[in-house]
Amino acid sequence: KNEVEQSPQNLTAQEGEFITINCSYSVGISALHWLQQHPGGGIVSLFMLSSGKKKHGRLIATINIQEKHSSLHITASHPRDSAVYICAVLSGNTPLVFGKGTRLSVIA
Amino acid sequence: DSGVTQTPKHLITATGQRVTLRCSPRSGDLSVYWYQQSLDQGLQFLIQYYNGEERAKGNILERFSAQQFPDLHSELNLSSLELGDSALYFCASSVGGHSYEQYFGPGTRLTVT
Repeated sequence: KNEVEQSPQNLTAQEGEFITINCSYSVGISALHWLQQHPGGGIVSLFMLSSGKKKHGRLIATINIQEKHSSLHITASHPRDSAVYICAVLSGNTPLVFGKGTRLSVIA
Repeated sequence: DSGVTQTPKHLITATGQRVTLRCSPRSGDLSVYWYQQSLDQGLQFLIQYYNGEERAKGNILERFSAQQFPDLHSELNLSSLELGDSALYFCASSVGGHSYEQYFGPGTRLTVT
């Protein structure tokens, strides 16, 4: 079974800072998801990637398949980015395995 | 708005009771997934249905069951409820199987007292 580790568990940043959240997994995967969970509980899918890099607005996700590692970057962070960010991996046809999440607080 | 709807939003019930959670997938999506998120366990996959058939099963207790109806909506039934079943229950949908992007519903918060 794939083990998914995220770091840090908690992160506090000042508005405008560049933020990096890391995700490592133990077994080869076919895809990796980054999810955002708002304080109210709703979950939004940010990225699904299997190689390289994807960008959407101020968010960038990268993945290194050989190193079994992915990063989520937020540029020019804003208080509205405060949320829990969850990494989830897909191996073959098995269901998603989730990390425990990184709780981000961005202070104005 | 993901297009996935879940009802009810909140549910408070007593131990030993039975509840039904409902999910309507995005238009055109054939797969429905159920997940449980508790404070100590994080998100865990429970079960997946694809076009009415059970496709994959995860950490779903025997007291829990689910089904997907011909109109593709799905219900998750939880019975003989215990305090430890208190959690957020999410439904997600996708066009196909696990390799497709999933869209999450707003969740149902279940509190068992």
